[in-house]
Amino acid sequence: GENVEQHPSTLSVQEGDSAVIKCTYSDSASNYFPWYKQELGKRPQLIIDIRSNVGEKKDQRIAVTLNKTAKHFSLHITETQPEDSAVYFCAARNTNQAGTALIFGKGTTLSVSS
Amino acid sequence: GAGVSQSPSNKVTEKGKDVELRCDPISGHTALYWYRQSLGQGLEFLIYFQGNSAPDKSGLPSDRFSAERTGGSVSTLTIQRTQQEDSAVYLCASSRGGDSRNYEQYFGPGTRLTVT
Repeated sequence: GENVEQHPSTLSVQEGDSAVIKCTYSDSASNYFPWYKQELGKRPQLIIDIRSNVGEKKDQRIAVTLNKTAKHFSLHITETQPEDSAVYFCAARNTNQAGTALIFGKGTTLSVSS
Repeated sequence: GAGVSQSPSNKVTEKGKDVELRCDPISGHTALYWYRQSLGQGLEFLIYFQGNSAPDKSGLPSDRFSAERTGGSVSTLTIQRTQQEDSAVYLCASSRGGDSRNYEQYFGPGTRLTVT
């Protein structure tokens, strides 16, 4: 089955700096890669996702890149703000195979200090 | 509309007792997932239901864990003979599934299970 590794486990940045979180996956058939944000005491929520037919996707200060050959994908947050502080989870799934689950990485705790 | 709901929100049980956790997915969502989140840990996949297909049980940590989904809607996660290491937040999520191209998972608030 799919295995997702996520690094780093913790990341501390100054407000205004950029933050990058990296994930690798094991199943070359995976084609859907979402990122979820979980604020303290709240449930995870989808912030951005990318499918394997594109290499990059951007939404305001957030961007994701995908390298299918190397089987890794990254989340980039620019101009970080204190409200970006949260745990971020990457995930991977093969949507072409019925019954396959979305598998998450172990998460990255991002702390943005002002 | 209503989001994913879970009950109870908190459950304290004695070691060795059985517990049942309930999840009500968003109406019309055919995919339902159970995850376990230990303190400061990631989202550990437990089980996945998609429509009438056989569930993917590959994440269940032991045979003390089981789950059902009746009528393609409500799901119950049962933990038998609970152990202290079962203490965690159990999260349920649902998504449209099927032929939908929208794979976003909507999470419930979780059930915090404490085994004493």
